[in-house]
Amino acid sequence: ETGVTQTPRHLVMGMTNKKSLKCEQHLGHNAMYWYKQSAKKPLELMFVYNFKEQTENNSVPSRFSPECPNSSHLFLHLHTLQPEDSALYLCASSQEGSVVGRYSSYEQYFGPGTRLTVT
Amino acid sequence: KNEVEQSPQNLTAQEGEFITINCSYSVGISALHWLQQHPGGGIVSLFMLSSGKKKHGRLIATINIQEKHSSLHITASHPRDSAVYICAASALGKSSGDKLTFGTGTRLAVRP
Repeated sequence: ETGVTQTPRHLVMGMTNKKSLKCEQHLGHNAMYWYKQSAKKPLELMFVYNFKEQTENNSVPSRFSPECPNSSHLFLHLHTLQPEDSALYLCASSQEGSVVGRYSSYEQYFGPGTRLTVT
Repeated sequence: KNEVEQSPQNLTAQEGEFITINCSYSVGISALHWLQQHPGGGIVSLFMLSSGKKKHGRLIATINIQEKHSSLHITASHPRDSAVYICAASALGKSSGDKLTFGTGTRLAVRP
């Protein structure tokens, strides 16, 4: 496998279920991201991990719980979701510098996404 | 008002036409990204630029930092260019990890 992979590609879950989304990157990158894309809305950043440390939580509800056990894997644990959480969830990775307060940006590589439907 | 605005929202062109998609942003940025999203959701990074102009094949991206404006041009458009094109601004002065703010996207359809 190359690039950024996500599993599952499609997920239907009830509001009381608990499920997890998985992202794996094979690019040797040290930063990983979760994004949410709802219908007719811009992509929204959810979480950023850099060197396995969470550096950004974009006011995401606690029913979404990220986990980054190592630089290659990123999970998004889901529990007691709402129908409005139905969306395309995208993972991305990039090779970041480790200097805080840097003034540069890096190309991000996206996974194919998980289409989530909450019933 | 979104910090990143794109126009037009929808664009239909005839094969071979020259296409321009515009992006304006209101925040200070370290870079501006152009992304392409095909039906099914996959996103590909096309360009990342902080000044001037970049070219890749039939695609050209320009940015004017003073005017906070960027354009994506497609020359000799082809039906396979049909996709959603998204611009995203990377904020200045942030801590490690890139925080992108996205436009709503421009849906392009190129007819044969």
